[in-house]
Amino acid sequence: ETGVTQTPRHLVMGMTNKKSLKCEQHLGHNAMYWYKQSAKKPLELMFVYNFKEQTENNSVPSRFSPECPNSSHLFLHLHTLQPEDSALYLCASSHPGLADYNEQFFGPGTRLTVL
Amino acid sequence: GESVGLHLPTLSVQEGDNSIINCAYSNSASDYFIWYKQESGKGPQFIIDIRSNMDKRQGQRVTVLLNKTVKHLSLQIAATQPGDSAVYFCAEENSGAGSYQLTFGKGTKLSVIP
Repeated sequence: ETGVTQTPRHLVMGMTNKKSLKCEQHLGHNAMYWYKQSAKKPLELMFVYNFKEQTENNSVPSRFSPECPNSSHLFLHLHTLQPEDSALYLCASSHPGLADYNEQFFGPGTRLTVL
Repeated sequence: GESVGLHLPTLSVQEGDNSIINCAYSNSASDYFIWYKQESGKGPQFIIDIRSNMDKRQGQRVTVLLNKTVKHLSLQIAATQPGDSAVYFCAEENSGAGSYQLTFGKGTKLSVIP
């Protein structure tokens, strides 16, 4: 595997379900990100982890719970979601500090549908 | 708040013609800009970037122009091909803020007419 991978690629869940999204990066990066992409809206940054420590939480509802066990893996735990949470969830990674600028590499995303 | 935006949501171009996709940004402190391409069912893919100490940068069939005076960024695609059909996003970063966060625009959908 190369780059940034995400599983599952598609997920359908009910509002009472609990599920988790997984992201893995094979680039040796130390920062990982979760974004939400809804139709006709800009990418919304949800969480940022740098060296496994959460550095940003952009007012995300508590029904989204991130976990970063190491610099290569990132999870997004989902529970009691709402239909408006249906979107494409993208994971990205980067290596800030390697250069002065922060090019982010994205995974293919998980298409989430909440019924 | 400060944000990155796009002038046109859609753009249709004849195959073989050149495409120009525009982006306006409002944060004058931004010093790094990236263009991403997102094909249907895929995540955004890096195309080209530019730092604020430059006004032009060229890649393979793509050129990014930066006009800091009017806070405008453009992506030029030469000899547009059907495989160029996608949504294109610009993103900006203020490296001095230390947050390593990119701010994205809404995107322009490019459709190439065969």
